[in-house]
Amino acid sequence: AQTVTQSQPEMSVQEAETVTLSCTYDTSESDYYLFWYKQPPSRQMILVIRQEAYKQQNATENRFSVNFQKAAKSFSLKISDSQLGDAAMYFCAYRSAESWGTYKYIFGTGTRLKVLA
Amino acid sequence: DGGITQSPKYLFRKEGQNVTLSCEQNLNHDAMYWYRQDPGQGLRLIYYSQIVNDFQKGDIAEGYSVSREKKESFPLTVTSAQKNPTAFYLCASMEWGGAGDTQYFGPGTRLTVL
Repeated sequence: AQTVTQSQPEMSVQEAETVTLSCTYDTSESDYYLFWYKQPPSRQMILVIRQEAYKQQNATENRFSVNFQKAAKSFSLKISDSQLGDAAMYFCAYRSAESWGTYKYIFGTGTRLKVLA
Repeated sequence: DGGITQSPKYLFRKEGQNVTLSCEQNLNHDAMYWYRQDPGQGLRLIYYSQIVNDFQKGDIAEGYSVSREKKESFPLTVTSAQKNPTAFYLCASMEWGGAGDTQYFGPGTRLTVL
């Protein structure tokens, strides 16, 4: 069975600085999707970025980028120029793309990011 | 506006009562999901449905039930058999097939047992 591990329960970053959140996963599949979701205090889950495993290029969305290391099964999120609004829980998630009809997501336990003014 | 709505935002239940959480989406998504979130834990899958009139148990289905009679609706009933139902419940939906691989979430329902 697939697993997703976020080993950093909490991280802090100074405003305008860069921070990297770690995520590792375990799977025997070769085709899958990886996601980072943000959950601010409102508790609304917001998609930050997604990566397709067959794509070599790391995904980027404005100040958010990933470092996808398929062989190492690592999927870290880098936030550049951190802003106060980035303070939230961040969840890493995995979804198989191989099994037709299997659309289950597996979530990590989350990393709480604090942004210091 | 297209999106996912959940109601109510806060729900209080007495022990022994069944309660139903509503989830509606107007995104024309095929798949819908229910998750439970407890403090310090990630999201745990309760039930999911990929098409109308079909649904599958997730990892923690005991004490819960669902129905999927319409594409846009996926209500969750928390029964009295659920021993510790106080939690935050999130509903999500996803388009099925093609580039549709991203789940979108509703705002959640906070259930408290009195």
